[in-house]
This record gives sequence, C-alpha cells and structure tokens, in this order.
Amino acid sequence: AQSVAQPEDQVNVAEGNPLTVKCTYSVSGNPYLFWYVQYPNRGLQFLLKYITGDNLVKGSYGFEAEFNKSQTSFHLKKPSALVSDSALYFCAVRDMDTGRRALTFGSGTRLQVQP
Amino acid sequence: GAGVSQSPSNKVTEKGKDVELRCDPISGHTALYWYRQSLGQGLEFLIYFQGNSAPDKSGLPSDRFSAERTGGSVSTLTIQRTQQEDSAVYLCASSQPGLAGNEQFFGPGTRLTVL
Repeated sequence: AQSVAQPEDQVNVAEGNPLTVKCTYSVSGNPYLFWYVQYPNRGLQFLLKYITGDNLVKGSYGFEAEFNKSQTSFHLKKPSALVSDSALYFCAVRDMDTGRRALTFGSGTRLQVQP
Repeated sequence: GAGVSQSPSNKVTEKGKDVELRCDPISGHTALYWYRQSLGQGLEFLIYFQGNSAPDKSGLPSDRFSAERTGGSVSTLTIQRTQQEDSAVYLCASSQPGLAGNEQFFGPGTRLTVL
C-alpha cells in the first residue's frame, strides 16, 4: 500500500520569507512524487514532479522540491513567498514498481502568505 | 489547447436520485481518472481508464458508483440512489500515454450536493 502524510494542516509565512511545505511518503517500491496546487474554486494545477535523476526538482512559479530517499520526504520549498502563493497544496505519490497508475494524495496543506 | 472540462460545475440533488457527471479529457490523452474530494479531505481515487484495457475500479466506494468511457474519450460517472455522504467535489484528470511518470491534468470539478 502507498500513503502520503502532510503533517501540517496550515503553514503561515510572511511575504518575502522562505517557505517549506512538508511531505513524507510510503511505498513498497520506488516512488514517483508530485506536488499540485489548488486555488479557491479551481481544479488542481501541476507544480512539479520527481521521477528519477537529480534530487532537487524545479517547477512552476519558482517552487522546488527535494527528494530525500533516506527520510522518505519530498518537501516543497520556495525562497521568497508571495501573497499570491496562498492556496491549498497537495503532495501525491505513485509506486513506479506496481501497475497502479492512480495517485495517492496527502490531505493537503493550506499555505497562507501574509503581506 | 483546451484542458480537461467537466459538467455540470454544480449539481444539487435529492437523496435517492441518480446523477451523471461528465468529463471531457484533453485530446490525445488515453488515460482518464476520477477522484473525489470531500470537504477538508484529500483526494480519493475512484476509477482509472487506460485505452481499451479493463478499468481499475478498485477505488469505487460502493456498487452505487459506476463509470464508463465511450470511444476512448468522454467519460461519465454515475451515482445511483445518492446519499448525503456522496456530497463532494468530483474531479476528473487525464494524462498522456506512455511513461507512468506523466503528470495528470485536472478539470475544475463538479460540486455535488445531496440534500
């Protein structure tokens, strides 16, 4: 079975400060990892993914994430937060060693960036 | 190009009625997924279609839920004898064929309210 944990329901950060949204995962094989963002009354938008290769992945809107196999983590980061980054963020995993293509999502973390 | 579209955007129904939700995937995407997002929850996988293969129905919560995909494109999710616990946002996603690491593109969702 595969699972994702996002331990923080909400993260508050001041505009201009760095932000981190945490994600840990559990899979029996090797993971494909994804981050999605959901703005109010909108569908999920893809931010970035880790498939293989460099552990630091860069994505849309200046976001990046670092894959850490030993800690089974895939934390989302941004050096300087914007008020417009305020949204709901979801981490997701798929086990690349099984035939199951569906993603398993975390419960989401609400990011609030204060001016 | 057009993204994933879903209709209706909102559906209010009475307990016990049947509902049909529609998804139009991105043209050329052979993989199609249905997820459910309940208030304050993460996304729950429901069903997955890939080309002409048998669908993965492992996420359907009960036999009141069914889905079909006609002509390898449009999909319809049907919920029979709706219950109040079926109230949620139903999200459809599609992805390109080929690599299992391809990201999924989500539609805006259908918000279902069962009174």
